[in-house]
Amino acid sequence: DAKTTQPNSMESNEEEPVHLPCNHSTISGTDYIHWYRQLPSQGPEYVIHGLTSNVNNRMASLAIAEDRKSSTLILHRATLRDAAVYYCILRGSTTSKLIFGTGTLLAVQP
Amino acid sequence: DSGVTQTPKHLITATGQRVTLRCSPRSGDLSVYWYQQSLDQGLQFLIQYYNGEERAKGNILERFSAQQFPDLHSELNLSSLELGDSALYFCASSVGGLGPRTGELFFGEGSRLTVL
Repeated sequence: DAKTTQPNSMESNEEEPVHLPCNHSTISGTDYIHWYRQLPSQGPEYVIHGLTSNVNNRMASLAIAEDRKSSTLILHRATLRDAAVYYCILRGSTTSKLIFGTGTLLAVQP
Repeated sequence: DSGVTQTPKHLITATGQRVTLRCSPRSGDLSVYWYQQSLDQGLQFLIQYYNGEERAKGNILERFSAQQFPDLHSELNLSSLELGDSALYFCASSVGGLGPRTGELFFGEGSRLTVL
């Protein structure tokens, strides 16, 4: 499974945008980039995923570098509810399991 | 509410004992995954079943076993329990079982196991 690298922690202010980076320099051409987050005392929840093009949904946007060696999860207006551990995960085309790394702990200040 | 149901929510037992954790996937989901989350190891993938068959195996100990039944619910059996098995055990489900057709994983709220 290809590896991702994320900062251990980040801080943001409420109602400001947050950019969570992820490096995946060994990504293969068929790996999808997935983001999940885990709120305190809950199971992980899906945020967004993409292959090559930038993606938007109601929760966030995913910006993927042209060479696909990095990506950025964008929360457009952080709320206190967005405080969580965010995981960037690569999933190959021949598997469905997710291998979680250590993720980024996002703190949101009021 | 993810639609994935795990029981029990909390379980306290002694070393050497055996426990069974149960998971009911979302309606229509064919894959079930088990994960272990401890403070020092993070979220570790244990095993995946797809429509009753084992599909992928991770860092699952020989003392642990799982199965998926014809009604698609799954059970994780942990035996000869040790102090280090204390952890949160999550079950997740997805529609498919392979690559892009898998869809997103939906996680339950977990079963917290404490081994004394």
